Amino acid sequence: EDQVTQSPEALRLQEGESSSLNCSYTVSGLRGLFWYRQDPGKGPEFLFTLYSAGEEKEKERLKATLTKKESFLHITAPKPEDSATYLCAVLTIYNQGGKLIFGQGTELSVKP
Amino acid sequence: DVKVTQSSRYLVKRTGEKVFLECVQDMDHENMFWYRQDPGLGLRLIYFSYDVKMKEKGDIPEGYSVSREKKERFSLILESASTNQTSMYLCASSPQTSGYTFGSGTRLTVV
Repeated sequence: EDQVTQSPEALRLQEGESSSLNCSYTVSGLRGLFWYRQDPGKGPEFLFTLYSAGEEKEKERLKATLTKKESFLHITAPKPEDSATYLCAVLTIYNQGGKLIFGQGTELSVKP
Repeated sequence: DVKVTQSSRYLVKRTGEKVFLECVQDMDHENMFWYRQDPGLGLRLIYFSYDVKMKEKGDIPEGYSVSREKKERFSLILESASTNQTSMYLCASSPQTSGYTFGSGTRLTVV
């Protein structure tokens, strides 16, 4: 069964304290791994797509990496505005199209 | 930018009412999806559609139905709303085999 597990469930950081979020997956044929950011009361906002092991993507203080079994979202010198829930999802092929399977998310809180 | 528009941000409905949640996308995407999101349970797929007039059940379809008469519009229907359907409902669209673009969500409260 395809499965995505994120850890930790919640993470509290001080401003400037770098850390990483983990997303481990078991899927029969990875077609892509996606990271989203979600602010309270809003829809998820796309951050990155990774397709193959060894691939890395960066955006401001965020960097996503991918191995054959997991992905990491590294946050360097975070700021309070980085506080949000970060969702990881893997793309599987289903019938004529693709379907994303989501992890439970990591709730990040950055204190000034 | 792709836009996915959900018709309402907040809705309050009574138990037993028939409820329609509307979603429109403007980028000619083939795929459209309806999720609900609840604390501790994450995103759960209700229904999805790969083409006009085509629908597939997700993980939790009970109590819901959908309609896709036009490519750009995907409607979620709660046949007889119940309090356990109080939730955040998220619509998304995507090209054939790619990631999703989400709408802003509809927070539905059933009283």
